[in-house]
Amino acid sequence: EPEVTQTPSHQVTQMGQEVILRCVPISNHLYFYWYRQILGQKVEFLVSFYNNEISEKSEIFDDQFSVERPDGSNFTLKIRSTKLEDSAMYFCASRGLQGSGANVLTFGAGSRLTVL
Amino acid sequence: AQSVTQPDIHITVSEGASLELRCNYSYGATPYLFWYVQSPGQGLQLLLKYFSGDTLVQGIKGFEAEFKRSQSSFNLRKPSVHWSDAAEYFCASGTGNQFYFGTGTSLTVIP
Repeated sequence: EPEVTQTPSHQVTQMGQEVILRCVPISNHLYFYWYRQILGQKVEFLVSFYNNEISEKSEIFDDQFSVERPDGSNFTLKIRSTKLEDSAMYFCASRGLQGSGANVLTFGAGSRLTVL
Repeated sequence: AQSVTQPDIHITVSEGASLELRCNYSYGATPYLFWYVQSPGQGLQLLLKYFSGDTLVQGIKGFEAEFKRSQSSFNLRKPSVHWSDAAEYFCASGTGNQFYFGTGTSLTVIP
């Protein structure tokens, strides 16, 4: 079954450092998302991406965050200068344009970010 | 704006007992509705979804959910819980490009 792949599974970084989280969405999906889950809290929407541009973003997604689809397969989330409060599990998700996957988010296993 | 409410933060049930996890959504129209499960250290796995049609939907692992428009609810049920069902359960709603998650219900299963 097709799956969304995320790397790294866990990253530890120092406050102020840049972090790039990588995602490989399902190959025929066209909508891509990043969500965040702080330990013990709800899953929060960060950003959605379609047709090589951001389609929606939340208040969390400030100037410290950026997303990119550098090639035909990867979808990255960059945090320019990490803060302690960025420590969370970051989930990538994708969905298709039509068919059974059109309105269903398929999630990756997540990347746990720990900022020290 | 859409929102999803899961009123139960934590539920404990005995193995073999029935289970119902509550979910209420807030939206003018009928959104797409989902239940996801998250096992410790894992990602979010889709249990089931409702788009339209039959209001009782069957999912994986023996779960089902019933959409009740009059109550704006989409409660998740299982007739007999197994120890492996212990996990965090998230209800979500979506319309178009946006998907909203509830705060989750943590399920503990005792022998």
